[in-house]
Amino acid sequence: TQLLEQSPQFLSIQEGENLTVYCNSSSVFSSLQWYRQEPGEGPVLLVTVVTGGEVKKLKRLTFQFGDARKDSSLHITAAQPGDTGLYLCAGAFPPGAGNNRKLIWGLGTSLAVNP
Amino acid sequence: SQTIHQWPATLVQPVGSPLSLECTVEGTSNPNLYWYRQAAGRGLQLLFYSVGIGQISSEVPQNLSASRPQDRQFILSSKKLLLSDSGFYLCAWSVMGGELFFGEGSRLTVL
Repeated sequence: TQLLEQSPQFLSIQEGENLTVYCNSSSVFSSLQWYRQEPGEGPVLLVTVVTGGEVKKLKRLTFQFGDARKDSSLHITAAQPGDTGLYLCAGAFPPGAGNNRKLIWGLGTSLAVNP
Repeated sequence: SQTIHQWPATLVQPVGSPLSLECTVEGTSNPNLYWYRQAAGRGLQLLFYSVGIGQISSEVPQNLSASRPQDRQFILSSKKLLLSDSGFYLCAWSVMGGELFFGEGSRLTVL
């Protein structure tokens, strides 16, 4: 069974603080995706990382893919209440499987940013 | 641009009643289509996926079935609902198994 572990599961911080969410696996992924989900809605894709060591920035969000393509992190700088939501990572596995490759999902990190 | 819609958004059904959730995609052809279930605002469990009309793959044994009667239509069904079928159901599409684009979700409560 392929697992993708996210940590922490829950995070409650004050506005303006920084935070990092981790997504770890013992498996190698061809790519890894990060989604954000608000209550009662479907997840929305934030970013896809493909290359080992890759870093992508989306405003105050920084995403990194591990060199070995087994792990990823999401760092948020100066968090705002609008960042509140469930953050999900998903790995494309197995690598190179083509059209039918399936996503392996983490259980998510529930983030609350308090004003 | 591509859009995805699923309905109904919310439904409350008695145990033993049938279920039909519908999902349609616009603006793309031959998408991969998926049904997921999410429990208590946590991770997603893949229920079914389809790579083409009439082609359905089931990920877990369960009380549910899926059909794809048209290229951009995906339906989730049950003949007799169980209490354990309650949850948040999400339809999604992708191109060539890549990034997923989700519908708004359907909240099912079985009483």
